[in-house]
Amino acid sequence: DVKVTQSSRYLVKRTGEKVFLECVQDMDHENMFWYRQDPGLGLRLIYFSYDVKMKEKGDIPEGYSVSREKKERFSLILESASTNQTSMYLCASSWGVLPLHFGNGTRLTVT
Amino acid sequence: EDQVTQSPEALRLQEGESSSLNCSYTVSGLRGLFWYRQDPGKGPEFLFTLYSAGEEKEKERLKATLTKKESFLHITAPKPEDSATYLCAVQAVTGANSKLTFGKGITLSVRP
Repeated sequence: DVKVTQSSRYLVKRTGEKVFLECVQDMDHENMFWYRQDPGLGLRLIYFSYDVKMKEKGDIPEGYSVSREKKERFSLILESASTNQTSMYLCASSWGVLPLHFGNGTRLTVT
Repeated sequence: EDQVTQSPEALRLQEGESSSLNCSYTVSGLRGLFWYRQDPGKGPEFLFTLYSAGEEKEKERLKATLTKKESFLHITAPKPEDSATYLCAVQAVTGANSKLTFGKGITLSVRP
């Protein structure tokens, strides 16, 4: 069974802090994704990666960056956290065009 | 731009009362349509993939169907444990490998 693990379930950060969200998958998947989920807006794609050191912007990349130094790990970075980045963040991975497998999410609150 | 619209936003059923959830989509060329289930505080869990109009998939009380414009998730004789948010997503033939566009979800509540 595919396992996608997000390092924190809950995070509380202050405005202006640099925030790292970590995601690890154990199935050697080439594709990894970061989504955010907000009530009334659904899941929106922030960034994705097809391979190590590769990244592509999703639909809402502003205010975020990513890092993929190893195949199994995909990090989402908030350079200077703002209150409008309070959200549920979901990491996912997949192989080829097969379905995405999601982690259980990190609920980030920026105060 | 790919678009997915799910309706209704919320649905309340009595246990045993069958119903259907709708997913309408617009995509340049459909590679696949996906249904996920999401429980509160958890990530989405994969249910089905449909690839072409006329295709159907079943799992326990759930059956997913696909036409050229929409998909339905039929729930037969639901139980309280079927309560969850159901998400629909599409993957286009063109564009990024594996990238999915999601609808906003349908929150299903099944009363005992």
